Amino acid sequence: DIVMTQSPDSLAVSLGERATIHCKSSQSVFSTSHKKNYLAWYQQKPGQPPKLLIYWASTRESGVPGRFSGSGSGTDFTLTISSLQAEDVAVYYCQQYDSTSWTFGQGTKVEIK
Amino acid sequence: QVQLVQSGPEVKKPGASVQVSCKTSGYTFTTYSISWVRQAPGQGLEWMGWISTFNGNTDYAQNLQGRLTMTTDTSTSTAYMDLRSLRSDDTAVYYCARSYGGNWVDFWGQGTLVTVSS
Repeated sequence: DIVMTQSPDSLAVSLGERATIHCKSSQSVFSTSHKKNYLAWYQQKPGQPPKLLIYWASTRESGVPGRFSGSGSGTDFTLTISSLQAEDVAVYYCQQYDSTSWTFGQGTKVEIK
Repeated sequence: QVQLVQSGPEVKKPGASVQVSCKTSGYTFTTYSISWVRQAPGQGLEWMGWISTFNGNTDYAQNLQGRLTMTTDTSTSTAYMDLRSLRSDDTAVYYCARSYGGNWVDFWGQGTLVTVSS
């Protein structure tokens, strides 16, 4: 199975500041045939199911605020929240769907400093 | 609007079985596959497997093979997850999730808490 490792496990950021979360896969999730990275990002708030933010590593889901962006390719990916808002406090997960056996990162908890 | 509505919470004894249902609406059921993801208390997300709603093909996580069965009823647009020989470490919130072509999840069920305790 592809192992997904996120860093850091948690971070505290001041309101309006940038939050950056990293996700590294144990093997490339880039498809040379489709020219796409098979990686998604989700946000999960307490007591709720996850919510899709980003797919294909950098495509924002409809309705997701523009302050959320995804980047990276191959094995190294980043989720950036450009200006942290109070409602962004949550746990964030990356997920690979390159293999039929999906795997998720362990999660990164984002809090307000 | 797209909805995935799951059955209610369950409390089971070790060794028992549980079935969780996921009734969908608001879209063509056979166009999207259904995956099941679980989350133990205070832990991260664990993919359990998926089922093609088109032809019933399944793919299960290796650590659950032999105990897990996923099925669908296309007449009612409902997916089912059956887990047998329950253990205490199966205690978790179980989510059904919709994905197109086995890619990312765009809609999730509300989750079903399954508690395994003697």
